[in-house]
Amino acid sequence: QSVLTQPPSASGTPGQRVTISCSGSSSNIGTNTVNWYQQLPGTAPKLLIYSNNQRPSGVPDRFSGSKSGTSASLAISGLQSEDEADYYCAAWDDSLTAWVFGGGTKLTVL
Amino acid sequence: QVQLVESGGGLVKAGGSLRLSCVASGFTFSDYYMSWIRQAPGKGLEWVSYISTSSSSTNYADSVKGRFTISRDDAKNSLYLQMNSLRAEDTAVYYCARDSGQQLGNWGQGTLVTVSS
Repeated sequence: QSVLTQPPSASGTPGQRVTISCSGSSSNIGTNTVNWYQQLPGTAPKLLIYSNNQRPSGVPDRFSGSKSGTSASLAISGLQSEDEADYYCAAWDDSLTAWVFGGGTKLTVL
Repeated sequence: QVQLVESGGGLVKAGGSLRLSCVASGFTFSDYYMSWIRQAPGKGLEWVSYISTSSSSTNYADSVKGRFTISRDDAKNSLYLQMNSLRAEDTAVYYCARDSGQQLGNWGQGTLVTVSS
């Protein structure tokens, strides 16, 4: 059981916009920033969004993040086949003094 | 560029020990916290442990507390994870990551640990 809650799956067709939610609590998302990771099949996770809505250099602006209260969302617009991957949200938890992750969302591009 | 390279994984029997290493390059290692994160086959990410700069503080997930020990050698730009009393449920790919406090920004390629029962 993950501390952060994500839907296990999401899907969309090429060109569509999809969103992935991440729900937490006051000790993690409610207090600290949210990061999102993309994990392509057989590879290590890669930082996609940090500090709720910032993109590292090289990440297309099709990817965006937002946060409100104890929840966060990742949006992917102009969906492409290469976006098919697992996506994880993460945040620092002040009560656990630990990084906590969502269970991951498998995105399928139909 | 930032590079993290893990090593030390392998096949070990339940109850055995293993020491993982992570060699860092491309940044001032001593300036950063570091973390270990693992991923069991077909499962999600699970944070395992972190170590602060100067090794002044550490913390562990409950699932490994008392069995795993994190350490670092800033002179060698290296991070370690000593894993004792290994269990089948410790089977996973273990990643090291640079921890800026705000994000786990860079990850290594991972090293696979398989614990046979």
